[in-house]
Amino acid sequence: AQTVTQSQPEMSVQEAETVTLSCTYDTSENNYYLFWYKQPPSRQMILVIRQEAYKQQNATENRFSVNFQKAAKSFSLKISDSQLGDTAMYFCAYNNNDMRFGAGTRLTVKP
Amino acid sequence: DAGITQSPRHKVTETGTPVTLRCHQTENHRYMYWYRQDPGHGLRLIHYSYGVKDTDKGEVSDGYSVSRSKTEDFLLTLESATSSQTSVYFCAISDSGLAGYNEQFFGPGTRLTVL
Repeated sequence: AQTVTQSQPEMSVQEAETVTLSCTYDTSENNYYLFWYKQPPSRQMILVIRQEAYKQQNATENRFSVNFQKAAKSFSLKISDSQLGDTAMYFCAYNNNDMRFGAGTRLTVKP
Repeated sequence: DAGITQSPRHKVTETGTPVTLRCHQTENHRYMYWYRQDPGHGLRLIHYSYGVKDTDKGEVSDGYSVSRSKTEDFLLTLESATSSQTSVYFCAISDSGLAGYNEQFFGPGTRLTVL
């Protein structure tokens, strides 16, 4: 079974700075999909960014970008110009007929 | 926001009692999912549905059953609740199934406590 590992249970960053959240996964498949979801204190799950494994180019969404290293099975999330509203739990997820989430990283943005 | 509601939003029950959680969508999405969220585990898939009356098991299906008699409703039943089923339960919907790229949209969650 595929596993998703987020090795940083908690992180903090100063407002306006950049932070990178790590995610690794285990799979023998060649094509799959990767996602980062954000869960603020409201508990609502919100999609941040997604990546198709067969695409070499890293996905970007405004201040959010990923570093997708397929051979290393790594999918990190970079948040630039961090804002107070970015404070949340962040979950990495893998999808290929079996949606798997990591345990999450709690990010705190400090003023 | 995707039109997904969950009921109840909070529930406290006793061990051994049956519990049914309801997920209702207004988006006409084909696929619906039930997850549970526990500290240290992220979200884990319990069951999912790929159409009316079509369901399949997920990673942690033991102790749970589901039903989908209409496109818009997906029910999760705990036949005899146990304390290990204390969790936050999320429903999700999507246009594509588990092999898909499409985003899953999540409901607001139900906090269930089994005493």
